[in-house]
Amino acid sequence: QVQLVQSGAEVKKPGASVKVSCKTSGYTFITYGISWVRQAPGQGLEWMGWISAYNRNTDYAQKLQGRVTMTTDTSTSTAYMELRSLRSDDTAVYYCARGPAAKRSFDYWGQGTLVTVSP
Amino acid sequence: DIQMTQSPSSLSASVGDRVTITCRASQSISSYLHWYQWKPGKAPQLLIYAASSLQSGVPSRFSGSGSGTDFTLTIGSLQPEDFATYYCQQSYSTPYTFGQGTKVEIK
Repeated sequence: QVQLVQSGAEVKKPGASVKVSCKTSGYTFITYGISWVRQAPGQGLEWMGWISAYNRNTDYAQKLQGRVTMTTDTSTSTAYMELRSLRSDDTAVYYCARGPAAKRSFDYWGQGTLVTVSP
Repeated sequence: DIQMTQSPSSLSASVGDRVTITCRASQSISSYLHWYQWKPGKAPQLLIYAASSLQSGVPSRFSGSGSGTDFTLTIGSLQPEDFATYYCQQSYSTPYTFGQGTKVEIK
């Protein structure tokens, strides 16, 4: 069965960087992209961008351009999301999801990783 | 960016009730509309993709309809495991955007 398992919670100071991993299994990694979505406390869902596992092309949300980098490691079927210059409003649960899938939906999701940015 | 407006933001219902959630896009998105179920501490689940297609493994009491700007998620007979938060999402153009969510609570 398809599974996406994310790395554990992180606590970072403002200005630092965080790298969240998303290890996939149960399907051929390069046939789907991986998208990243975050949810700040009490806030809505924000799409951050996605990476093609096939050719590593990326499409980032404009507001995160320059601070986010998404990568993949096909040897381990793992995707990564690195966010730099962290601010307090980056405190959120970060999710990876398989997709775009059918009609560009996200059909399987990771369990989420809490990233807390605090002095 | 395309704005997605869900209503209601929350509702109380009883087991067995028929529940309807609506989602409106700020511009036409054809059928690039999907519905997700969110439960605390669990991985989110895709319920409906492309406005009306039931994701594999999802109970048939869930259905979706609509195209263009107006969409609906219906739960035909609410079950105890359906108490959760539901989100719509458009994938017509990036940045992909979500509705603000509808929390379905037990009456």
